[in-house]
Amino acid sequence: DTAVSQTPKYLVTQMGNDKSIKCEQNLGHDTMYWYKQDSKKFLKIMFSYNNKELIINETVPNRFSPKSPDKAHLNLHINSLELGDSAVYFCASSQEGQSDEQYFGPGTRLTVT
Amino acid sequence: GENVEQHPSTLSVQEGDSAVIKCTYSDSASNYFPWYKQELGKRPQLIIDIRSNVGEKKDQRIAVTLNKTAKHFSLHITETQPEDSAVYFCAASRWTGFQKLVFGTGTRLLVSP
Repeated sequence: DTAVSQTPKYLVTQMGNDKSIKCEQNLGHDTMYWYKQDSKKFLKIMFSYNNKELIINETVPNRFSPKSPDKAHLNLHINSLELGDSAVYFCASSQEGQSDEQYFGPGTRLTVT
Repeated sequence: GENVEQHPSTLSVQEGDSAVIKCTYSDSASNYFPWYKQELGKRPQLIIDIRSNVGEKKDQRIAVTLNKTAKHFSLHITETQPEDSAVYFCAASRWTGFQKLVFGTGTRLLVSP
């Protein structure tokens, strides 16, 4: 059973395109996150949703728009892709009131050419 | 906001040696300090965490120590094995109704047989 899953695993696209990454968790967690890991392995929070409500919105270009249709899903849509958007994007989830462990998905490697 | 510094960036040890990774944080209100391990091409996974009301925590070969006064915490791995080779991230967070982890820059640990 995959706890946190992401699709696609790899995404290669050209500058200017629009793309989406999907995330689903079957852990029953209330909170989900998007992280960006760049080529130097820096891991930085982008967004977080709790019960479909946006609670963390870091300094991210507004070309990035998260959407949470329900608490088990958190998608990331990126408009007008740029070279600098190339990175690995990780989704994660956690449950408040339990341990604070964040469970990460397998990552989506986005390459913008 | 919180800032987490991590040292060293790379660490090479011989199998059986101990390894120590150190982190400092800036926000004195931070109260949760997890460590994540990320193997090559894989997702980050929690290996141990500590809260501000505890000075030390151990789990088999790994231990974490916290010095709140100095605002630093360390990961100790004893009897290292080749499978310990990975990138290790420290993080810090304070509870403000939700958890926002700020990660260190990572330490690449290489354990040679």
